[in-house]
Formats: sequence, C-alpha cells, structure tokens
Amino acid sequence: RKEVEQDPGPFNVPEGATVAFNCTYSNSASQSFFWYRQDCRKEPKLLMSVYSSGNEDGRFTAQLNRASQYISLLIRDSKLSDSATYLCAVTGAGSYQLTFGKGTKLSVIP
Amino acid sequence: EPEVTQTPSHQVTQMGQEVILRCVPISNHLYFYWYRQILGQKVEFLVSFYNNEISEKSEIFDDQFSVERPDGSNFTLKIRSTKLEDSAMYFCASSDLDRNQPQHFGDGTRLSIL
Repeated sequence: RKEVEQDPGPFNVPEGATVAFNCTYSNSASQSFFWYRQDCRKEPKLLMSVYSSGNEDGRFTAQLNRASQYISLLIRDSKLSDSATYLCAVTGAGSYQLTFGKGTKLSVIP
Repeated sequence: EPEVTQTPSHQVTQMGQEVILRCVPISNHLYFYWYRQILGQKVEFLVSFYNNEISEKSEIFDDQFSVERPDGSNFTLKIRSTKLEDSAMYFCASSDLDRNQPQHFGDGTRLSIL
C-alpha cells in the first residue's frame, strides 16, 4: 500500500467553485501534516499546516481525521491563480522526513 | 520573507561526472534536507542533516551521494559519478527544530545527465 495517496485528478472547475481534495496516509503513527502547492516545474510551496482541530486560512480549510487516516483541503471561491498541483505531505513519528503524495492537479477555468 | 536559495538553476553534465548542487538554507533554521523529483513523479526524500551530520537518509541516497555543510551558510549535495537516472529536479529545504514546523523549499536545480 502506498504511504500517501491522492486522487491525481485533474479537477477542472469553474471560477468561484468550491473544490475538495482528500489524501490518505498508511502510517498510523504519522505526526505532522501539510498541504503544499506546486506550479509546473517549480518548487513545492507551503500552503498550510494541518492541525488536529482543523484550520482555516482565508478561502482554504484543512481537516485531519486521525481515525480514518486522511486529511482534506477545501478551497472556496476558486480563482484562476489556484490552478496548480496540490501535494499532501506527512512526517512519521520521530522523523523529519516528509513523505509526499503524487499530488492532485487543479485547473480553474474562466 | 527569508527564503532558501539554490544554485545553479540548471546543470547539464555528462554521465559519470561529478556534480555539486548548492543551497543556502534560511539562516535561523537548523535542519536541512535534499529531495528530488523525477519528471512526472512525486517529490522523494533523499537526506536530512542536523548538527553537522546526516540525521536520516532514504534508500535512494546511496554511496554515490554525499552532503556537506562546508561553512556557516552553504549546504551541498554531491553526486560522485552521475547516471542517466539521476536526471531530476533537486530541491533543498530547511526547517527549524520543531518537527511540527513546515519545511521551506528552494526553487530547485534541474539536473540533466547526458
């Protein structure tokens, strides 16, 4: 079983739409969780950390479900500039190593 | 906002040659990392470095690879004898000591092995 799995997409949504991504992880001892965005051939850029209580940053909301071992990202009121690949990343217990999913590609269309 | 910087942005090398990729991590960060991403694939961990020694490494990080912090600011990745399959984007990242804090990535070096 892959360590971190994401739906590869692509998700093609109109401007203004709400879109949700899920990510599952196999290691129940995973400790820290993050969403990064990656534009084509660029570096991963931190979007947000994911906390147990869930957290929100403007149009972005992240949730963690430890029992079911998944994290989610909700984007409200999608903008053209949100078009990117969204990467889920997880660290294991006692480890600094980030394990990434393959990413979900989002295209926001006018 | 402080950032991780990497040089060069693109390196083209003949197979079998040695390459050194350079990174300047964020100045108050204590953990440094190298990741790679082969075209069309996921970002993969290579190595982490703390207190002047390797903290963790992956199976990819074999004897052909080494890391060094030659001075107070630079962090380097050396590939001794490059192979065609080493062609990838190489990202340096850094973070502070708190494991819950995120890692910040440089803009990468694209390594092309001919």
